[in-house]
Amino acid sequence: KAGVTQTPRYLIKTRGQQVTLSCSPISGHRSVSWYQQTPGQGLQFLFEYFSETQRNKGNFPGRFSGRQFSNSRSEMNVSTLELGDSALYLCASSSIRTFAYNEQFFGPGTRLTVL
Amino acid sequence: EDQVTQSPEALRLQEGESSSLNCSYTVSGLRGLFWYRQDPGKGPEFLFTLYSAGEEKEKERLKATLTKKESFLHITAPKPEDSATYLCAVQAGGRGSTLGRLYFGRGTQLTVWP
Repeated sequence: KAGVTQTPRYLIKTRGQQVTLSCSPISGHRSVSWYQQTPGQGLQFLFEYFSETQRNKGNFPGRFSGRQFSNSRSEMNVSTLELGDSALYLCASSSIRTFAYNEQFFGPGTRLTVL
Repeated sequence: EDQVTQSPEALRLQEGESSSLNCSYTVSGLRGLFWYRQDPGKGPEFLFTLYSAGEEKEKERLKATLTKKESFLHITAPKPEDSATYLCAVQAGGRGSTLGRLYFGRGTQLTVWP
């Protein structure tokens, strides 16, 4: 079974631009979560999508947005990029097999550098 | 506020020298605690799920345990290839929580030298 894939793997943008990152979950997984990882803050939750609906959102400004398609693929968008947005953006998928707990499996991430 | 704290921040071990990593947590209604391994420039790799106090899981040289307040990742006779950052994450069941949100600790950077 193929794992979580993310594209592109590396991205360089300048301040003020916008960027779209893509995530394809493991086949059969309907939940996709996004995280931002920086050396200063560690892994921080951005948002979660399940069946094309955003179910939870972390404490990030409105410049960060996302969506999920009917095939469970997800995109996240960052508008008006700032230097502080430079980070590794990670996507994780899960199957929601139970309602007790749920394991997430991560993709390789997209390394975004804002100049 | 849900929090996860890992210690130590960094750990250097000689090959064969066993040790433990700690993850303490304060969350509303723990649903699950997860251990991940992350190599530089890569996404976290899932290792274990623990969801009830007293539970233990093993995989090769790694053993994870869970109490009501903390979890330990024991590394027995480590090898250089075990060098990585080990992350602990929890899934909470309190208000505003969903199964899709994990709260991560800052990780323990483990270096095993020959």
